[in-house]
Amino acid sequence: EDKVVQSPLSLVVHEGDTVTLNCSYEVTNFRSLLWYKQEKKAPTFLFMLTSSGIEKKSGRLSSILDKKELSSILNITATQTGDSAIYLCAVESQGGSEKLVFGKGTKLTVNP
Amino acid sequence: DGGITQSPKYLFRKEGQNVTLSCEQNLNHDAMYWYRQDPGQGLRLIYYSQIVNDFQKGDIAEGYSVSREKKESFPLTVTSAQKNPTAFYLCASGRGTIGRRNYGYTFGSGTRLTVV
Repeated sequence: EDKVVQSPLSLVVHEGDTVTLNCSYEVTNFRSLLWYKQEKKAPTFLFMLTSSGIEKKSGRLSSILDKKELSSILNITATQTGDSAIYLCAVESQGGSEKLVFGKGTKLTVNP
Repeated sequence: DGGITQSPKYLFRKEGQNVTLSCEQNLNHDAMYWYRQDPGQGLRLIYYSQIVNDFQKGDIAEGYSVSREKKESFPLTVTSAQKNPTAFYLCASGRGTIGRRNYGYTFGSGTRLTVV
């Protein structure tokens, strides 16, 4: 059974701090790993990482895929209160269904 | 603008009652999904459909039913057999499978269902 584990489940930091969120996975025939940000309702897409694209960056956010360790990290530098959200990691396996398996998420709270 | 519309945003169900959550997309996506989100549980897959008139059970399908009569629509019925239906329900769509690159899902804004 495919499995995604995120850590920590909850994190509280102050504005300006740098945070690292972790995601590890066990999946048959890995295809891609995706990060989403969920503030109140609909999760919004952040990054997709695959075997051919293991590092992505957008502004203060960056993510790396470690294929050997079967894991990924999401880094946020110079955090702002607007970064407060649940960050979801999901993994897709090859072989047909395109369904994503999600971790439980990391709830990040950035205090002023 | 293309997107996914879920309705209603809030829904209250009495014990023993069936309710249907609507999900409509105009993204021309082949695949559609229903997830349930409980506090501290992340997203769990209820049902998914890769093509019209076909759908598969996800990890927690018991007590739920779906239909996919049109590409744009994927309604979810929460039946009285679902013993703990209070949760946040998210619908998503994707581009489909078989060689096509996956850019991830587009999610609707969700429906919050409460049993009263």
